[in-house]
Amino acid sequence: DTGVSQDPRHKITKRGQNVTFRCDPISEHNRLYWYRQTLGQGPEFLTYFQNEAQLEKSRLLSDRFSAERPKGSFSTLEIQRTEQGDSAMYLCASSSRAGETADTQYFGPGTRLTVL
Amino acid sequence: GNSVTQMEGPVTLSEEAFLTINCTYTATGYPSLFWYVQYPGEGLQLLLKATKADDKGSNKGFEATYRKETTSFHLEKGSVQVSDSAVYFCALSPFSGGYNKLIFGAGTRLAVHP
Repeated sequence: DTGVSQDPRHKITKRGQNVTFRCDPISEHNRLYWYRQTLGQGPEFLTYFQNEAQLEKSRLLSDRFSAERPKGSFSTLEIQRTEQGDSAMYLCASSSRAGETADTQYFGPGTRLTVL
Repeated sequence: GNSVTQMEGPVTLSEEAFLTINCTYTATGYPSLFWYVQYPGEGLQLLLKATKADDKGSNKGFEATYRKETTSFHLEKGSVQVSDSAVYFCALSPFSGGYNKLIFGAGTRLAVHP
């Protein structure tokens, strides 16, 4: 078990460009979450997958944002036509469906996005 | 709706001092409650949790008790160390068990000096 990994760790882009982030959850976890954290704030929920199905999307997730989890393993989060307000840390978390840790989300190190 | 309110930081303490970080919540139903910690340069880590009223979560000398009557989940530690310097987040998930998005407070930065 190597934990949740995210790639890249840092991304600097110009306004208007598209960016894509990847998350690899803990291997036996079928639940995957994306959050966004801005400076000085707690993480805010963006979206949730159970296996490959996207079951909830926050109102924070505008039409420019899309997330996928095609085979129920890794997930990608794409932001199209980035804006300066998209600058934030994007966090991925995963959890298992059952057992003692069913309630517990394990977080990756995050991808820090800076939009110039 | 569901929300979490934490005391504002930073909290600055000397080593071996007693720590309390207040957390109160608003929730419909019976949430699970969590404390996560973020050390400098690292990702969020679960510190402790409680899934029902009167449960006490504990880990690494930290404790928090789920108080339904006061809708609180205050974090305490009897004697802090410099290595406890971090940002602490209180969070809730609206329903115990199953899928749950987490709703976080704004975080409280703790600085412990020798």
